[in-house]
Amino acid sequence: KQEVTQIPAALSVPEGENLVLNCSFTDSAIYNLQWFRQDPGKGLTSLLLIQSSQREQTSGRLNASLDKSSGRSTLYIAASQPGDSATYLCAVKANDYKLSFGAGTTVTVRA
Amino acid sequence: DAGVIQSPRHEVTEMGQEVTLRCKPISGHNSLFWYRQTMMRGLELLIYFNNNVPIDDSGMPEDRFSAKMPNASFSTLKIQPSEPRDSAVYFCASSTGPANEQFFGPGTRLTVL
Repeated sequence: KQEVTQIPAALSVPEGENLVLNCSFTDSAIYNLQWFRQDPGKGLTSLLLIQSSQREQTSGRLNASLDKSSGRSTLYIAASQPGDSATYLCAVKANDYKLSFGAGTTVTVRA
Repeated sequence: DAGVIQSPRHEVTEMGQEVTLRCKPISGHNSLFWYRQTMMRGLELLIYFNNNVPIDDSGMPEDRFSAKMPNASFSTLKIQPSEPRDSAVYFCASSTGPANEQFFGPGTRLTVL
């Protein structure tokens, strides 16, 4: 069974600092990995999708890397802003449809 | 596109009552997923449909839970009878194919008293 771990569980940084969020998974035979953002009381917003053949994916201030062999992904958010405060979830697709989610990292960016 | 639509957004009911949650996937998406989110267990896949056919319902916790997808634009998740431990946020997600990016609805927050 795929286990997905996100460390740290919570993170508080001053505005402008770069954020580094970590995700690890136990089974390296994955289809893809998806990073989501969840605001309190809201649904999940897809941020980035990395296919198993890719090493990284970028969108604006966001960059996600994938090291399948070591079972790790990292989400970098450059020049953080208070609006980046949310919970970030990592999800791994280990077969052709099933996403296994981590517990998330709750980020607070202080103005 | 309006995205994935779920209704109701909030539901409060008493133990033993029937609860029906509704989902309209994004037009053109042929894969639909129901998830449940709790503090204790995080996000869990309940059931997955492809082209309106249930493919994997192994995540459905008990026979009290059932899901249908009568057509490509509508799905329901029913709990009968409901119990307090069913209290959670239920999400519906859709994608253009099972291996592709999933887009989530806003969720239904269910409270069973």
